[in-house]
Amino acid sequence: LAKTTQPISMDSYEGQEVNITCSHNNIATNDYITWYQQFPSQGPRFIIQGYKTKVTNEVASLFIPADRKSSTLSLPRVSLSDTAVYYCLVGAPDDKIIFGKGTRLHILP
Amino acid sequence: DGGITQSPKYLFRKEGQNVTLSCEQNLNHDAMYWYRQDPGQGLRLIYYSQIVNDFQKGDIAEGYSVSREKKESFPLTVTSAQKNPTAFYLCASSETGEAYGYTFGSGTRLTVV
Repeated sequence: LAKTTQPISMDSYEGQEVNITCSHNNIATNDYITWYQQFPSQGPRFIIQGYKTKVTNEVASLFIPADRKSSTLSLPRVSLSDTAVYYCLVGAPDDKIIFGKGTRLHILP
Repeated sequence: DGGITQSPKYLFRKEGQNVTLSCEQNLNHDAMYWYRQDPGQGLRLIYYSQIVNDFQKGDIAEGYSVSREKKESFPLTVTSAQKNPTAFYLCASSETGEAYGYTFGSGTRLTVV
């Protein structure tokens, strides 16, 4: 399983775009990149998943460069309710999920 | 609505007691998982099951036991052998072969009193 590295915490302001970068230098060919969001005392929630280039959904965008050694989760125009922990996961189908400590995002008014 | 139901939401246990946490899913998922989360930490895998009547130990299985008699149910027993059971427990499920498309329950907070 590829090891991931992401910032421990980030602060931003309401209405800003937030970018959280995850490093995964030893990503394998059949690995996908997946991001989850977790609010306090709740289970993580799937946000977005990608393999290469760019993926966008109603919640976020995921940018993956050609070498796939990193990825960036982009949250447009954040609000206070986006304050949460964001986890970057890298792995293949049927891999066990390995969660790190994630990135604690704190949105300020 | 399809989803995962964990119960109870809060559970108090006396030292030396076994307790069982319930996890039920109606998503028709083959795989189910149990994770433990301590304050400010990530999730650690306790047990997982990819098919009925089969399960595998995760990274921190000592002091825990599971069963998978039905596809939709994966109960976790925290035994008296678990030295520090106070934590937030999360159950998840997925389709086999799904690349990290997991659905989580809302968790059970266990406190030893």
